[in-house]
Amino acid sequence: DADVTQTPRNRITKTGKRIMLECSQTKGHDRMYWYRQDPGLGLRLIYYSFDVKDINKGEISDGYSVSRQAQAKFSLSLESAIPNQTALYFCATSGLAETQYFGPGTRLLVL
Amino acid sequence: SQQGEEDPQALSIQEGENATMNCSYKTSINNLQWYRQNSGRGLVHLILIRSNEREKHSGRLRVTLDTSKKSSSLLITASRAADTASYFCATDVSGGYNKLIFGAGTRLAVHP
Repeated sequence: DADVTQTPRNRITKTGKRIMLECSQTKGHDRMYWYRQDPGLGLRLIYYSFDVKDINKGEISDGYSVSRQAQAKFSLSLESAIPNQTALYFCATSGLAETQYFGPGTRLLVL
Repeated sequence: SQQGEEDPQALSIQEGENATMNCSYKTSINNLQWYRQNSGRGLVHLILIRSNEREKHSGRLRVTLDTSKKSSSLLITASRAADTASYFCATDVSGGYNKLIFGAGTRLAVHP
């Protein structure tokens, strides 16, 4: 079984809708991250969490919110989706070893 | 703005050749990491080099770091078609908190 899972893997939604992307991990890591990737660009950090009680904004947090429900779960919400939030979204985790482990990604299309 | 910038943006070589990708960054770092991404999939960690290290090896990978020039290079020796992927450098500027800033990546195509 994959160590970092994301659901859904693909999602099509309409402008103005609220959607939630979920991430779960079995690695026992405290640190979790949400990134988005746009074509031709690297990953940009949306939010990160160093433990259940610690959540921080990343480079591009506007229009997004997160919830750390447990050590193993970190959800990303788009409160009112807009077309320029169409992207590939990745969740990642890390422990003390500094390496980040990525999920398979969620491909989101906002119409 | 992105911290890291890879060069070249795209690289096309034949199997057996070496592939060299470069990364430049702007501010002081704690460490620099290289990741690989197969088309549309999650990133996979390749190698990490700390700011006090100059060179590291892992299998066919060799990474160098020049902190005076704020640059790093990734060398893949004896490339294979399976090495075809995008390669990203990522810098940790958060004093060890592992908050990474990614470059735009180099797309490597290795032809049989």
